[in-house]
Amino acid sequence: DGGITQSPKYLFRKEGQNVTLSCEQNLNHDAMYWYRQDPGQGLRLIYYSQIVNDFQKGDIAEGYSVSREKKESFPLTVTSAQKNPTAFYLCASRRESSNQPQHFGDGTRLSIL
Amino acid sequence: GQNIDQPTEMTATEGAIVQINCTYQTSGFNGLFWYQQHAGEAPTFLSYNVLDGLEEKGRFSSFLSRSKGYSYLLLKELQMKDSASYLCAVRDQGGSYIPTFGRGTSLIVHP
Repeated sequence: DGGITQSPKYLFRKEGQNVTLSCEQNLNHDAMYWYRQDPGQGLRLIYYSQIVNDFQKGDIAEGYSVSREKKESFPLTVTSAQKNPTAFYLCASRRESSNQPQHFGDGTRLSIL
Repeated sequence: GQNIDQPTEMTATEGAIVQINCTYQTSGFNGLFWYQQHAGEAPTFLSYNVLDGLEEKGRFSSFLSRSKGYSYLLLKELQMKDSASYLCAVRDQGGSYIPTFGRGTSLIVHP
């Protein structure tokens, strides 16, 4: 079945470490997105990519980095510069047509040890 | 920028009808989405409105009034499994087609 796979589901990070969250899709979607979700807050956009080898900052990109070397993959690195990384991270993808919704992965919950 | 407002929490009884409102302010409008999200899970797409009026899909319906900057999601014949967060997301006329999400409405359905 087609879908979006995020791994791992739970991730723990020590202070000062970088960690990378995986997002893979086999829906043949051009656009991919990373969101952060905190309790009581809506989804906030970190980075997005509309085509391979190109990506744009979202509203809260500081302390994060991404790459888009393949259409299927859009990994997110949470760097040590991100001072409050504990959150639920959601990856999404979308077919580039005006009324198409985003499809979301099951999320990764990142916690600081 | 956009400003999206939804109630934080609502409660309802199994079998009843509930209406979740969403108001928005945007510099240009290009569609409104509703998603359902169970705790710790992925949001799943429920409905899309770009023209005024009511869209019906089974027990769920969504309404849009562009002149009022207003939408609602109507859930009929509520079931316990409908307990979830409901997210309203509005897209403006920028070329990226990226919606801005509201904070979500947590719906609790009780027996």
